[in-house]
Amino acid sequence: AQSVTQLGSHVSVSEGALVLLRCNYSSSVPPYLFWYVQYPNQGLQLLLKYTTGATLVKGINGFEAEFKKSETSFHLTKPSAHMSDAAEYFCAVSADNTNAGKSTFGDGTTLTVKP
Amino acid sequence: DGGITQSPKYLFRKEGQNVTLSCEQNLNHDAMYWYRQDPGQGLRLIYYSQIVNDFQKGDIAEGYSVSREKKESFPLTVTSAQKNPTAFYLCASSNSGRRVFFGPGTRLTVL
Repeated sequence: AQSVTQLGSHVSVSEGALVLLRCNYSSSVPPYLFWYVQYPNQGLQLLLKYTTGATLVKGINGFEAEFKKSETSFHLTKPSAHMSDAAEYFCAVSADNTNAGKSTFGDGTTLTVKP
Repeated sequence: DGGITQSPKYLFRKEGQNVTLSCEQNLNHDAMYWYRQDPGQGLRLIYYSQIVNDFQKGDIAEGYSVSREKKESFPLTVTSAQKNPTAFYLCASSNSGRRVFFGPGTRLTVL
């Protein structure tokens, strides 16, 4: 079984500031980890994913995440926030790399970017 | 353009009525999924199908039914047995299970 905890349901940053969205997971097997972004009344879009190999994963829109097994974490970062980054972000974990649709999702973090 | 379409975007239902949400994909994906999203919560899996004419229950299948007669289509019926159906419903499909593509969603409101 797996679970995901996203620390902080709301995060607010100023435009140009560092974005850090926290995700901790629990998995009984090596995890496959995902970050998704959702804009209001839309579906989710994949930002990045970790399967195996390099622990620092780069995604779209300047986001990246680092898989830290010892800390069971997969935090999402972006060096400089842009107004267009305001959205809801979901971390997800899957135990099966061939069935990503069966992932367990966190409750989401809403990112607000202040001008 | 390839993608996933869901219709309608907004749907209103009276209590006690069944309603069917449409999901169509032209990505030639074998796997399709239905999720429910409630405010402040992540996605919860209702049903999924990895191949035509076969589908499996997800975590919250009670009160829902699906069919998969064609590769492109995976409609979801919300039955009167679903006690709290007001939610945002997302359909998705997957290529070999490694990446999931989401539709734009249907917002269902029970009056």
